[in-house]
Amino acid sequence: SQKIEQNSEALNIQEGKTATLTCNYTNYSPAYLQWYRQDPGRGPVFLLLIRENEKEKRKERLKVTFDTTLKQSLFHITASQPADSATYLCAPGRVDTGRRALTFGSGTRLQVQP
Amino acid sequence: GAGVSQSPRYKVAKRGQDVALRCDPISGHVSLFWYQQALGQGPEFLTYFQNEAQLDKSGLPSDRFFAERPEGSVSTLKIQRTQQEDSAVYLCASTSGLPNGGELFFGEGSRLTVL
Repeated sequence: SQKIEQNSEALNIQEGKTATLTCNYTNYSPAYLQWYRQDPGRGPVFLLLIRENEKEKRKERLKVTFDTTLKQSLFHITASQPADSATYLCAPGRVDTGRRALTFGSGTRLQVQP
Repeated sequence: GAGVSQSPRYKVAKRGQDVALRCDPISGHVSLFWYQQALGQGPEFLTYFQNEAQLDKSGLPSDRFFAERPEGSVSTLKIQRTQQEDSAVYLCASTSGLPNGGELFFGEGSRLTVL
């Protein structure tokens, strides 16, 4: 069955450092992958989308990579700030006739210490 | 509206009661999704609508769960005879057009606690 794995343990880093979050998937061939941010008590908010033919995508301090051979996406936040503290969810998506809905990983909680 | 609106934000129900959760998507968004999120977990898919048609309900955990979107806009998720395991946050999301890589816009969720 399809499986999406994100580090269940919280990631603690110092302000100013680069945070790197990992998303691995198995039994899956997504056409794209999305990353969302979720704050406590709030709904997820879309951050970035990367398609299978793209190796890397950037948006301000965010960078996402997508390796379809390794079946892995890495999400980087450079020059991290305490305000970046949140849970980050990855969601590989399909565009075939199968399920159209996104399937989410369990998320990784990031804590940026000042 | 400016965003996806869900109500109620918080609902406490006694075991066996029926509950109804409402979602008002972004105006004009064709696709609407319901997700269930347990504490410390990612959102789990429940059901998907394209306009008023429920195209996928494979994620509904039992026949006690029922969703509708009769006019292709507002949607209601109904849970009959609630059980303690139904306690979770229920998230609604919408997107314009077919879900083909388009970002999902989520509401703030309805937190259901079944006593």
